[in-house]
Amino acid sequence: AQKVTQAQTEISVVEKEDVTLDCVYETRDTTYYLFWYKQPPSGELVFLIRRNSFDEQNEISGRYSWNFQKSTSSFNFTITASQVVDSAVYFCALSARAYSGAGSYQLTFGKGTKLSVIP
Amino acid sequence: DGGITQSPKYLFRKEGQNVTLSCEQNLNHDAMYWYRQDPGQGLRLIYYSQIVNDFQKGDIAEGYSVSREKKESFPLTVTSAQKNPTAFYLCASSMVHESSYEQYFGPGTRLTVT
Repeated sequence: AQKVTQAQTEISVVEKEDVTLDCVYETRDTTYYLFWYKQPPSGELVFLIRRNSFDEQNEISGRYSWNFQKSTSSFNFTITASQVVDSAVYFCALSARAYSGAGSYQLTFGKGTKLSVIP
Repeated sequence: DGGITQSPKYLFRKEGQNVTLSCEQNLNHDAMYWYRQDPGQGLRLIYYSQIVNDFQKGDIAEGYSVSREKKESFPLTVTSAQKNPTAFYLCASSMVHESSYEQYFGPGTRLTVT
């Protein structure tokens, strides 16, 4: 079985502060993929990043950065200099190769972290 | 512009009625998915389809039905057998049904059954 835990249910920060959203995953597979999605108040999930289990390089995209550590099964997401437009629910998700194939594929989502950025 | 369309945005039904939620994509994706989201919860998979005329049950398929007659369309019917149908429903698609491919989501339909 696979599982994604986002222990932070809600976070509030003041604009321009940095914030890190935690994601811990569980899987028995050696090949797997991790994702982050953003869900703004409008409801649509927006894809942010995909990472495979063989690539532990950290990634930076503008004010967003991701820290992948296999040793701790974590894939944390940091927003630098937060802005009001960053206010949303953020989901971490996991998919594993063992679940691919007819009848068995599943993308597992965490319960999400609601981020509120206060002006 | 390519994307996924779900309509309507809000839907209200009386208990005991079946209701069909539409999902259309013009991304030329083979795989399509339906998820349910409840307040404070992650997404749970209802059904998915890898190819036209084929679909598989997800974790919470009871009380739901789907069809995939066209590559672009994957409608979801919430039947009267679904005990707690009020929720936010999200449709998604991906290039192929493989773990490495990200899914793209539609804007969702909020269903309220009273």
